[in-house]
Amino acid sequence: QVQLVQSGAEVKKPGASVKVSCKTSGYNFNIYGISWLRQAPGQGLEWMGWISGYNGNTNYAQKVQDRVTMTTDSVTSTAYMELRSLRPDDTAVYYCARWGGGRSDGFDIWGQGAMVSVSS
Amino acid sequence: QSVLTQPPSASGTPGQRVTISCSGSTSNIGGNSVFWYQQFPGTAPTLLVYRSTQRPSGVPDRFSGSKSDTSASLAISGLRSEDEADYYCASWDDSLSGPVFGGGTKLTVL
Repeated sequence: QVQLVQSGAEVKKPGASVKVSCKTSGYNFNIYGISWLRQAPGQGLEWMGWISGYNGNTNYAQKVQDRVTMTTDSVTSTAYMELRSLRPDDTAVYYCARWGGGRSDGFDIWGQGAMVSVSS
Repeated sequence: QSVLTQPPSASGTPGQRVTISCSGSTSNIGGNSVFWYQQFPGTAPTLLVYRSTQRPSGVPDRFSGSKSDTSASLAISGLRSEDEADYYCASWDDSLSGPVFGGGTKLTVL
């Protein structure tokens, strides 16, 4: 079955970087993209950006575009999201989700989430 | 503040029909599909409705989505205790060039 399995929880200090992985299985990685979303404690969902599984093209949300890099490894069908210059308000659960990349596509399969805590 | 507007809470009794609204603008809901996600505490969201009215396989037909102009609604009929969860609407936003979400609605089954 289609699965997205994310790396574990991280604790970081302000100014540091974090890299979260999302290993996919059960489908052709090249056909879909991977979106990254986050959810601060007790808050709603926020889309951070998307990377194509086909050619690595990216589209980042304006809010994080200067601090985020999304990459993929097609050999292992794994997507990565690196967030730099972490701030306390980056504390959130980070999700990867499969996405076709178009405006009519939904996030149909989600990873289990990875908690990232930023505190001095 | 979220781009799409949802009521923070909704409630109903078992068997009842409840609706959750989602209000947007011409740059999002007005010209694009709406999606609904269901999220239980401590778990990842799951896709409940896509392209405004379609249900993924496995989603009961008690859940239905609709869209009119710049608003959308999720209706849940025959409410069950296991429907108690948070519900989020989403849509593409042409101005932001990406998906945007509502703030979420916490559904309580009384």
